Amino acid sequence: DAGVIQSPRHEVTEMGQEVTLRCKPISGHNSLFWYRQTMMRGLELLIYFNNNVPIDDSGMPEDRFSAKMPNASFSTLKIQPSEPRDSAVYFCASSLGGGQPQHFGDGTRLSIL
Amino acid sequence: DAKTTQPTSMDCAEGRAANLPCNHSTISGNEYVYWYRQIHSQGPQYIIHGLKNNETNEMASLIITEDRKSSTLILPHATLRDTAVYYCIVRGSNYKLTFGKGTLLTVNP
Repeated sequence: DAGVIQSPRHEVTEMGQEVTLRCKPISGHNSLFWYRQTMMRGLELLIYFNNNVPIDDSGMPEDRFSAKMPNASFSTLKIQPSEPRDSAVYFCASSLGGGQPQHFGDGTRLSIL
Repeated sequence: DAKTTQPTSMDCAEGRAANLPCNHSTISGNEYVYWYRQIHSQGPQYIIHGLKNNETNEMASLIITEDRKSSTLILPHATLRDTAVYYCIVRGSNYKLTFGKGTLLTVNP
């Protein structure tokens, strides 16, 4: 079975550019999560969707970050404008909800120059 | 969610059992113990979870003490590919997984 699929795997861009990260959750999963991982702060939850609806976005750093889930099989995390401090690995995870385990993709390694 | 305490690092010989401890003395009655691991350059991988009974699956065994204040993840026959950071997480009925620093397990040949 296909796991969570994220694209791109690596992204290098200049400060000020718009960045869009993409995620395809596991088919049938109704919960989707975006995390960010840095050496300084570890793994942090950015936003949680349930049935395509954002439930908790308290972890989104600031207005430059936005996330959407237009349907059950696709989500995006957008940063505009990007800054060097946004450099991190961004993970998407999905689950069946109801306390079931979350399954993670392999992440997007983002470098903002 | 309750806080967990894990050793920073551990070593294990290949082929031997790896026993990773976790303390969660403030765990509540409805909180589960979850274990994930993260191999270098990959996303966290779910291993196992339990409430109060011991659990076993194809990857590992989870032993939870009777008072639920600590648990041990057991990899019965560690291989070099089990080298990873292992996270012990206490999770309630909500969706949140709070990752700490975990234990870096190094399996040596």
